[in-house]
Amino acid sequence: QSVLTQPPSVSGAPGQRVTISCTGSSSNIGAGYDVHWYQQLPGTAPKFLIYGNNNRPSGVPDRFSGSKSGTSASLAITGLQAEDEADYSCQSYDSSLSGWVFGGGTKLTVL
Amino acid sequence: EVQLVQSGAEVKKPGESLRISCKGSGYTFTSYWITWVRQMPGKGLEWMGKIDPSDSYTNYNPSFQGHVTISVDKSITTAYLQWSSLKASDTAMYYCARHTLGGYHGWFDPWGQGTLVTVSS
Repeated sequence: QSVLTQPPSVSGAPGQRVTISCTGSSSNIGAGYDVHWYQQLPGTAPKFLIYGNNNRPSGVPDRFSGSKSGTSASLAITGLQAEDEADYSCQSYDSSLSGWVFGGGTKLTVL
Repeated sequence: EVQLVQSGAEVKKPGESLRISCKGSGYTFTSYWITWVRQMPGKGLEWMGKIDPSDSYTNYNPSFQGHVTISVDKSITTAYLQWSSLKASDTAMYYCARHTLGGYHGWFDPWGQGTLVTVSS
């Protein structure tokens, strides 16, 4: 059971918008720790996608955006493309664990 | 280019010991923490622990404390993850990753390519 909770799967048709939620608690997201997102294409290592809740590193399309409110965060992907099909994971810090935590990952299927 | 390169896949028997490596290049190795992450087959990412290469100070996830050891040899810019007695449940992909300079607020970038560890009798 992951400390951060994500839906196991989401899906959408090409061109549509999907969101992936990441729910935490008062010892991690709710405590003010930043949330970051990773994309893991099939058979590859994770690659960081969003940092500091809502910032995109250079090279990441502006179709990807992040947000955070209270004890939750979300990743939104607009204009879905076939190449977006991957697993997406959120990450933060947890003061109770005194360490970093991940969500369980969400598999995005582009229909 | 900043990169982390991990050692190759391993096949071991239960009870055997193992050490896998993660070599950093393209940056000042002692300035950034290194973290290890486990991904069991078909499962999510789990933070195992991290090391500060400048002084070898470590932090472990309580779930992994006592079962694995994280170490570093800064003279060859390499971090290690080791087991003294493997179990079948250690079968997983293991990634190393570099912390950014954000402390508790930091993220992990880049990641190594992963080392697949298979433990089977």
